[in-house]
Amino acid sequence: SQQGEEDPQALSIQEGENATMNCSYKTSINNLQWYRQNSGRGLVHLILIRSNEREKHSGRLRVTLDTSKKSSSLLITASRAADTASYFCARLLNSGGSNYKLTFGKGTLLTVNP
Amino acid sequence: SQTIHQWPATLVQPVGSPLSLECTVEGTSNPNLYWYRQAAGRGLQLLFYSVGIGQISSEVPQNLSASRPQDRQFILSSKKLLLSDSGFYLCAWRWDRGSPLHFGNGTRLTVT
Repeated sequence: SQQGEEDPQALSIQEGENATMNCSYKTSINNLQWYRQNSGRGLVHLILIRSNEREKHSGRLRVTLDTSKKSSSLLITASRAADTASYFCARLLNSGGSNYKLTFGKGTLLTVNP
Repeated sequence: SQTIHQWPATLVQPVGSPLSLECTVEGTSNPNLYWYRQAAGRGLQLLFYSVGIGQISSEVPQNLSASRPQDRQFILSSKKLLLSDSGFYLCAWRWDRGSPLHFGNGTRLTVT
């Protein structure tokens, strides 16, 4: 599958701890995006990292991209109970010619216990 | 600022009944529009996308169809629902292929 996977499927931590989620893919990407989804709601975009970038930060979020290993990670520092959600990575792939497809994985369910 | 509206939030329909889900975007023009479906505990499956009025691309063969009658309106339809059409349907928009998606709050469809 070209989708790749998020890892782990589920993660449970205590408030204040850091959470790391990983995303792997199999074909070259144009960019990689991380999204968050609260239960029963739509997805919210967190960070977009381009293929020529290695690291991006946004508040307590840090995303890294290793194109040689075809992997990305999302780090949430000093987690809070409100960070409890599912986190998805989405890979923008060239599907032929000028066509680009954004492909989502199955996500990581993060639970932050107060 | 841009906003996306999707309705209804929940829907229970019998097998064989028609379906119409509507999505509208405000505050932007000529957006790329998308319909995704999310099964329980699964990732998102792209159903349809549109780069302009009347332009619809289908990603997977299915019992559903989509239409874009106006620049900022995207409609997901079915003439006869199947049990397998149950799921969480999400509408999204973005400016171009390099920009992030902005999602609506979704419609939970249960076909009984």
